[in-house]
Amino acid sequence: EAGVAQSPRYKIIEKRQSVAFWCNPISGHATLYWYQQILGQGPKLLIQFQNNGVVDDSQLPKDRFSAERLKGVDSTLKIQPAKLEDSAVYLCASSKREQRAEKLFFGSGTQLSVL
Amino acid sequence: AQKVTQAQTEISVVEKEDVTLDCVYETRDTTYYLFWYKQPPSGELVFLIRRNSFDEQNEISGRYSWNFQKSTSSFNFTITASQVVDSAVYFCALSERGNAGNMLTFGGGTRLMVKP
Repeated sequence: EAGVAQSPRYKIIEKRQSVAFWCNPISGHATLYWYQQILGQGPKLLIQFQNNGVVDDSQLPKDRFSAERLKGVDSTLKIQPAKLEDSAVYLCASSKREQRAEKLFFGSGTQLSVL
Repeated sequence: AQKVTQAQTEISVVEKEDVTLDCVYETRDTTYYLFWYKQPPSGELVFLIRRNSFDEQNEISGRYSWNFQKSTSSFNFTITASQVVDSAVYFCALSERGNAGNMLTFGGGTRLMVKP
C-alpha cells in the first residue's frame, strides 16, 4: 500500500514570496490533515478536511495561508506572502475516518526555509 | 496550559539500557485517546500505539511497553534493552473532542539518542 506522498521535499524562498505544497493521501482515506512542525516542537494542526470539506481550520493563519482539497483526494497548501516565521516542516497526514480513535499516516513532509 | 507535556526534551542512553519517556496530559473529555508516534530522521511520523481512556491495562509489544495511569494523567513509554535504531524523536499525542471536530494535539517531543 502506497503511503502519503508529499512534494516538494525541500523549498527555499525569500520572504514575501509565495509557495505551494502538494499532498496525495493514502487511497480511500477520507480525512486529510496539514500540520506545521517548527524545529524542536511537536506538529501543530493547521487544517483538517473530511472528503473535500473543511472540518477545522481554526489554527490556520487565513490572511496568508490557504488550502484546498478538490475532489476529496489531493490537497494543496499555499502560503502567500511568506514570512520568516513560516520556516518549518509542513506535514500532511491522512486517516480512514474522522474519529478520535483513528491513527494518522504521515508523509515525509516539506521542509520550508524562508530567507 | 499545555495539553500534552513531555518534560524530557532530550535523553541519551547507551545501547542495552532501559529508558522511559514521560508524558502528562490534560483534558476535560471523559472519552479520549492517547497515542505515541516515532519520528526517525527521515521525518515521517510513525504510529506506535493507541490507548483509550477506559482501558488502563498496560501494554507490552516486544521491547516496548506503555504505562497508562488516569489518576496521574500520565501515559509513559518504556523501551527495554534500547538499540541504536531506536534513536528518534518520540511524540505523545492526545485525541479529544475539539470545537469543530476531533483534535489530535501533540506534545513537544523527546529526542532519544542511543549510543553504541
